[in-house]
Amino acid sequence: AQTVTQSQPEMSVQEAETVTLSCTYDTSENNYYLFWYKQPPSRQMILVIRQEAYKQQNATENRFSVNFQKAAKSFSLKISDSQLGDTAMYFCAFILYTGNQFYFGTGTSLTVIP
Amino acid sequence: GAVVSQHPSWVICKSGTSVKIECRSLDFQATTMFWYRQFPKQSLMLMATSNEGSKATYEQGVEKDKFLINHASLTLSTLTVTSAHPEDSSFYICSARVRGASGGYEQFFGPGTRLTVL
Repeated sequence: AQTVTQSQPEMSVQEAETVTLSCTYDTSENNYYLFWYKQPPSRQMILVIRQEAYKQQNATENRFSVNFQKAAKSFSLKISDSQLGDTAMYFCAFILYTGNQFYFGTGTSLTVIP
Repeated sequence: GAVVSQHPSWVICKSGTSVKIECRSLDFQATTMFWYRQFPKQSLMLMATSNEGSKATYEQGVEKDKFLINHASLTLSTLTVTSAHPEDSSFYICSARVRGASGGYEQFFGPGTRLTVL
């Protein structure tokens, strides 16, 4: 069975500071994709960053980067230079390469404090 | 990226009535769409997988007679909540699966529909 765990229900960070959201997952498969989605108050799910499991290099998208540790099944998200617009729920998710279903974590509510 | 729309964005109905929610892929064809339900401050719960031209696949615990799914075309899936009751009040999100350039699948989410049953 596939599971995703986010152990931090709520976090806060000062504007312009850096914050790291943690995510661990469990699967016996070797080929999969990992994602971080952002859900702001509008509730639209927005893709933040994506990582292919076969790639060793950590994905980066502007201020967002991940620390992907495949052996440890860990996939944390680092947000640098936090902005007020980063306030949102963040969901970690993964899907098997040939799979059909997304597996979501329970989410981390991030608040950026001005 | 691919755009998925949902209509309506918010619906209020009386208990006992049926409500239809539409999910459309605007600039691509989606053979597979997914319906999620999200309670306040909780994660997305997959309800069913909607396959074009065939019956939907429901997750365990989801009543197929209560939540009717029809995927009549490659760009439209509908979710009908039949005989809605207050406990059906929730946020419903659809998504569409797209094959990415590297061969793997990505999902694009609609903006969601807030259902309130009085």
